[in-house]
Amino acid sequence: KAGVTQTPRYLIKTRGQQVTLSCSPISGHRSVSWYQQTPGQGLQFLFEYFSETQRNKGNFPGRFSGRQFSNSRSEMNVSTLELGDSALYLCASSWGQGGDSPLHFGNGTRLTVT
Amino acid sequence: AQSVTQLDSQVPVFEEAPVELRCNYSSSVSVYLFWYVQYPNQGLQLLLKYLSGSTLVKGINGFEAEFNKSQTSFHLRKPSVHISDTAEYFCAVSEVGGNQFYFGTGTSLTVIP
Repeated sequence: KAGVTQTPRYLIKTRGQQVTLSCSPISGHRSVSWYQQTPGQGLQFLFEYFSETQRNKGNFPGRFSGRQFSNSRSEMNVSTLELGDSALYLCASSWGQGGDSPLHFGNGTRLTVT
Repeated sequence: AQSVTQLDSQVPVFEEAPVELRCNYSSSVSVYLFWYVQYPNQGLQLLLKYLSGSTLVKGINGFEAEFNKSQTSFHLRKPSVHISDTAEYFCAVSEVGGNQFYFGTGTSLTVIP
């Protein structure tokens, strides 16, 4: 079974631009979560979708948004990029609705904002 | 919301020595517990999980963890580490009946030859 696939692996953008990151979950998984990982802040939860509905949202500004499609694939968008948005963005999927379904992570998209 | 504490941000250990990485959580409610490992330039990989049953859980790569409800801890152990165990380790907690995961800040394990 294929794992969680995130594209692209690397991105370089300029301040003020916007970016869209893509995540394809493991087949059959209906929950997709997004995390931001930086050396200073560790793993910060962005949002989680289940069956196209956003169930949980972390403490990030409205510039960060996401969506999930009917095939469970998910995208996240960051508008008006800032230097501090440089990070590894991780997507994770799980098969069930509850916290007993472990997260399965992709290898991430490394975003650099210059 | 849960709080997950990994007290040791960095742990150096000699090859073939034992290691323990500590994890404490805040909740007084029933929880599920997880340990993940992250190698450089990769995502997180599930090492082991505690959902219910025996408090001693065995995972991949020779790791094990013990759930201690009274101390709200879930420490990760390995009796003999290898160079290949050098990585970042994350403890995670979710509440029974909930759907959110709370991660610790990670412990960087460095195995010294």
